[in-house]
Amino acid sequence: DAGVIQSPRHEVTEMGQEVTLRCKPISGHNSLFWYRQTMMRGLELLIYFNNNVPIDDSGMPEDRFSAKMPNASFSTLKIQPSEPRDSAVYFCASSSDSLAKNIQYFGAGTRLSVL
Amino acid sequence: SQQGEEDPQALSIQEGENATMNCSYKTSINNLQWYRQNSGRGLVHLILIRSNEREKHSGRLRVTLDTSKKSSSLLITASRAADTASYFCATDQGAQKLVFGQGTRLTINP
Repeated sequence: DAGVIQSPRHEVTEMGQEVTLRCKPISGHNSLFWYRQTMMRGLELLIYFNNNVPIDDSGMPEDRFSAKMPNASFSTLKIQPSEPRDSAVYFCASSSDSLAKNIQYFGAGTRLSVL
Repeated sequence: SQQGEEDPQALSIQEGENATMNCSYKTSINNLQWYRQNSGRGLVHLILIRSNEREKHSGRLRVTLDTSKKSSSLLITASRAADTASYFCATDQGAQKLVFGQGTRLTINP
């Protein structure tokens, strides 16, 4: 299995632009998580889906952030409009309920820089 | 906040020495997990200990769990340069998600 795949790996954009981050979870996993990591705030859970349904989006910082999971093999995190304080590494992770234990498998992350 | 807290925030030791990291949490848990993050990479699962277990071993890793004190420790024995990374504890409090701590940055000096 290729693991969790995120794209792009790096994104540099200007303030005000729309940013879309993409994630392909491990095949067969039914939970998907979006995290943001910064030096100041550490690893923050933004939102997670179970069976393609958003379960908890309490970590989404503002209305500028939105996430979708149209099917079991794809999810997007969108920031519109982007701001410099959104600069961070964004991780996607997936897990499987059927395997229990809730072990999460992380992608390599997308490093976002908003100028 | 229900996030776990790791202690120390940073640890620097000589190669071959043992490294111990601690984690405290605030609520009841199903299990506790430890993850490693190498610089520029995603987190990787290392080991899981269930709430009814007290100690778990995996290779050079030893994890303990004290649910009465709501704390866990991760011991890495005979450290190697390749163990240099950040280590995070994560608690499974149910509802699929994990609550991650702030991490311990471990540096192994040759």
